[in-house]
Amino acid sequence: DAGITQSPRHKVTETGTPVTLRCHQTENHRYMYWYRQDPGHGLRLIHYSYGVKDTDKGEVSDGYSVSRSKTEDFLLTLESATSSQTSVYFCAISDPGQGPYEQYFGPGTRLTVT
Amino acid sequence: GQQLNQSPQSMFIQEGEDVSMNCTSSSIFNTWLWYKQDPGEGPVLLIALYKAGELTSNGRLTAQFGITRKDSFLNISASIPSDVGIYFCAGPPGSGNTGKLIFGQGTTLQVKP
Repeated sequence: DAGITQSPRHKVTETGTPVTLRCHQTENHRYMYWYRQDPGHGLRLIHYSYGVKDTDKGEVSDGYSVSRSKTEDFLLTLESATSSQTSVYFCAISDPGQGPYEQYFGPGTRLTVT
Repeated sequence: GQQLNQSPQSMFIQEGEDVSMNCTSSSIFNTWLWYKQDPGEGPVLLIALYKAGELTSNGRLTAQFGITRKDSFLNISASIPSDVGIYFCAGPPGSGNTGKLIFGQGTTLQVKP
């Protein structure tokens, strides 16, 4: 299994509070991604990173920000959580030198916003 | 934007049966990938396809890259209970090489022992 961990694995928070999810990899892969998974929608890309300090928006980026200060860590922040952000969040990694589209996923974080 | 449509949305089959599912798009894709997600876990890459017409196997799984480049197929032979899960197709939208993918909505497979 690819060395990808996500923390926390479960979180319950209140509307309006900030939340940060962490993705940590030990594979030294250049690309990292944050997805959310909701019933009937499959996996939708929130933000991605193509290198340290290089990030870009995905298809559902509103209400989310990301940061990547070192290769191994990619942080997803919800500045002010809303109930519509209740979801399961997955981090993934890939590397241009090993098949850029072959993404490997972490175990997920289940976030509930009450 | 580009979309991937998976069919069927769900399947309930008897152990030992063969399974077929497909993924279609209105746009051309240069790479197709198939993932499986077990309940409560992250998706796992099963097969990657890089050439139109390519047929690739991984154990009891066989995937094909459609000739038109607008579809892909996944077959599972002699299904077993551990095949239960959600199967996703995925492909890179547009051009560029950032590794971005879009995913289909998934085919949920249930296997009756």
